[in-house]
Amino acid sequence: DIQMTQSPSSLSASVGDRVTITCRASQTINNYLNWYQHKAGKAPKLLIYGASNLQSGVPSTRFSGSGSGTDFTLTISSLQPEDYATYYCQETYSTPYTFGQGTKLEIK
Amino acid sequence: QVQLQQSSPGLVKPSQTLSLTCAISGDSVSSNSVAWNWIRQSPSRGLEWLGRTYYRSKWSNDYAVSVKSRITINPDTSKNQFSLHLNSVTPEDTAVYYCARSNWGFLHFDYWGQGTLVTVS
Repeated sequence: DIQMTQSPSSLSASVGDRVTITCRASQTINNYLNWYQHKAGKAPKLLIYGASNLQSGVPSTRFSGSGSGTDFTLTISSLQPEDYATYYCQETYSTPYTFGQGTKLEIK
Repeated sequence: QVQLQQSSPGLVKPSQTLSLTCAISGDSVSSNSVAWNWIRQSPSRGLEWLGRTYYRSKWSNDYAVSVKSRITINPDTSKNQFSLHLNSVTPEDTAVYYCARSNWGFLHFDYWGQGTLVTVS
């Protein structure tokens, strides 16, 4: 199975800050990398698919994804109060479509 | 707008079978450009993909090796839904279970059910 390693596991930041979360795959996954936002008690929400494609309805002014091969990045350009959540990467290159362990983004 | 509505069994006894359904609106379980998945989340295992069903001229399933001997995912075209059956459950199967649609481009999970907490006790 492909292993997905996110860093950091937790992060404290202030409203308006620029935040970067990284995800590394244990082998090349081309661009089969997705990012999700998860808030407690809700279903995960797709933000980015195919490493850099913004899901419809996700604010393009704030969220962006980049990377290819094994190393990927999710960037939130200016944190808003509604962005505090846990973020997960996921590879969909091969089953079992492994998720990262998550990055919990907290208010500073 | 696609919506996925999950059933809620709640409590299952050890060694019994966990059964969940996911009712689809705004799409068809027989669509040939998507797949229908089950995922679970627990503190010990994180988010874990369990398996999927999809239709491409015929029905197919893929399952995670970790549960392959115990899992069945079935489509129900008459009710436009799909189901998860996980047998011989143990407390390790306690988790929040989600259904989700995956798109056949990058296989990303674009629509999710609301989640169902299943406790094995």
